[in-house]
Amino acid sequence: EIVLTQSPGTLSLSPGERATLSCRASQSVYRNYVAWYQQKSGQAPRLLMYAASNRATGIPDRFSGSGSGTDFSLTISRLEPEDCAVYFCHQYGNSPHTFGQGTKLEI
Amino acid sequence: QVQLVQSGSELKKPGASVKVSCKTSGYSLTSYTLSWVRQAPGQGPEWMGWINTKTGNPTYAPGFRGRFVFSLDSSVNTAYLQITNLKADDTAVYYCVRENYGPFDPWGHGTLVTVSS
Repeated sequence: EIVLTQSPGTLSLSPGERATLSCRASQSVYRNYVAWYQQKSGQAPRLLMYAASNRATGIPDRFSGSGSGTDFSLTISRLEPEDCAVYFCHQYGNSPHTFGQGTKLEI
Repeated sequence: QVQLVQSGSELKKPGASVKVSCKTSGYSLTSYTLSWVRQAPGQGPEWMGWINTKTGNPTYAPGFRGRFVFSLDSSVNTAYLQITNLKADDTAVYYCVRENYGPFDPWGHGTLVTVSS
């Protein structure tokens, strides 16, 4: 199975700054089928990005995704306090689906 | 709008069984597959497998074969997860999720299952 390793574990930034979160796969992900989710405390995850670089419905353009093969990233520009959450990457190109362990973003 | 509404929290003793329900609305159940995802406290999500909503045929991820059963009642647009012979490390939040042609969207609100003597 593909192992996803996210870094950093925790990221502490200030409002207005830019956050870059990394997700590295142990082998190439088929068709770059990587998604990103935001999980706020006590809530279910919410889909942000799919197929590496496509924003889900209703997601502001401050969120962007990039990458291919084994290296993927999520960038959040102009951080807002409401962006405080844990962010997970998920590969769905190869079975079984797997998730990263998450990056905690502190604002 | 699309909603996945799950049953409430459960407190069970080791060795017991639990059945979690996931009622879908706002879309045609058979148009998308449903997956189940486990999230242990402080951990990342873990995919348990999926159910074909047209046929009811389940597929289990490695590590979730044997004690875990996915089922469906299409007449009430509801999917079920049953776990038998519960163990302490089954303590987790269990989510049903719609597979939106690959990514998971949306997620149910989650059901906390606590296994403790």
